[in-house]
Amino acid sequence: NAGVTQTPKFRILKIGQSMTLQCTQDMNHNYMYWYRQDPGMGLKLIYYSVGAGITDKGEVPNGYNVSRSTTEDFPLRLELAAPSQTSVYFCASSPGGEGNQPQHFGDGTRLSIL
Amino acid sequence: AQSVTQPDIHITVSEGASLELRCNYSYGATPYLFWYVQSPGQGLQLLLKYFSGDTLVQGIKGFEAEFKRSQSSFNLRKPSVHWSDAAEYFCAVAYGNKLVFGAGTILRVKS
Repeated sequence: NAGVTQTPKFRILKIGQSMTLQCTQDMNHNYMYWYRQDPGMGLKLIYYSVGAGITDKGEVPNGYNVSRSTTEDFPLRLELAAPSQTSVYFCASSPGGEGNQPQHFGDGTRLSIL
Repeated sequence: AQSVTQPDIHITVSEGASLELRCNYSYGATPYLFWYVQSPGQGLQLLLKYFSGDTLVQGIKGFEAEFKRSQSSFNLRKPSVHWSDAAEYFCAVAYGNKLVFGAGTILRVKS
């Protein structure tokens, strides 16, 4: 069972570069999420999607963009990388519905901006 | 606003000893509560969840948690800790279709 797959696992970027973090899920979940995790801060929601073509901002959306053209894929775009975006990024999915069915997480992308 | 507080940043317990990780939440309605575990370099794995009904819920790996509405708490417990339980533990509360996470508690297990 693949579940939620994130690529790449590690990446180093220079300030000002752009990149796309890929996320795909094979569970036919409607809801998908992007989080960033910083030491001692827990997970902060960046963007989320409740279905193909529908996205919305989370708690910390600045500097990021997303799109959701298919149910399976939910890429996260960094347009102008900044050192403050050094973090571990997690993608998650859930079937949604009452009570917010548990989210399933990928293994993360570790991103360093130098 | 919804929030989750995990008062302990680090906890160290001896192997075989009991464990309790604390979690307090702030949420106006009936909460949906979760505990996740994260091993180093890994994503988050669901340990257990509380949606309604019995306030003592059982999870995987021998963990359990008790929901106490009067104390706005959802503490995680394990009777006997194993070295493999060393990890970071996150409590979360759902609102709508989103989760709010606590800052996490790092568990260290000493032999």
